Amino acid sequence: DVKVTQSSRYLVKRTGEKVFLECVQDMDHENMFWYRQDPGLGLRLIYFSYDVKMKEKGDIPEGYSVSREKKERFSLILESASTNQTSMYLCASKQGSGANVLTFGAGSRLTVL
Amino acid sequence: SQQGEEDPQALSIQEGENATMNCSYKTSINNLQWYRQNSGRGLVHLILIRSNEREKHSGRLRVTLDTSKKSSSLLITASRAADTASYFCATVTYSGNTPLVFGKGTRLSVIA
Repeated sequence: DVKVTQSSRYLVKRTGEKVFLECVQDMDHENMFWYRQDPGLGLRLIYFSYDVKMKEKGDIPEGYSVSREKKERFSLILESASTNQTSMYLCASKQGSGANVLTFGAGSRLTVL
Repeated sequence: SQQGEEDPQALSIQEGENATMNCSYKTSINNLQWYRQNSGRGLVHLILIRSNEREKHSGRLRVTLDTSKKSSSLLITASRAADTASYFCATVTYSGNTPLVFGKGTRLSVIA
């Protein structure tokens, strides 16, 4: 019954590495989101996408990029990982209209050494 | 830009007691939602209340909304150890393709 799947639960990368975080949803949702969650800071929006090949910056897009080539998949890319990108990354999706209720994945905990 | 702010940051109660968490926000909203997060996991939607509603119930959950004070509360009645989690409010400023803005959460511990 899994609806939003994040490919990696735990990752350890080195500074300067390129990191891909993958997210797939099977609910045919138009909108997909990437948040990061840090202690004391709550959830902060990195990027979101309303449709295939469309992307919008959130509150903290610096150091990140995204790709949405297919409706069901939304990838978060760290071009050159840094230690301050160590965090929990949460992907979510929702219908394009209506109540705006988000369905989240289980999260990806990234550690950058 | 975080709009919702939960209060308290942490709450510890005994099993069977009621737990109340509050959320304040800054601008007009279309709806307000509460989510739950178990440790190290993703968030799960609990309940949504629209700006024209004042109170809503779902099982042991009761949510109120006071748009004049820009605040909401989540009440969990007869709490259980399994309710131990972090609870977040999230606001939607208008309908359509709008990202939800989350607060920092309240960490609830229910002691058996």
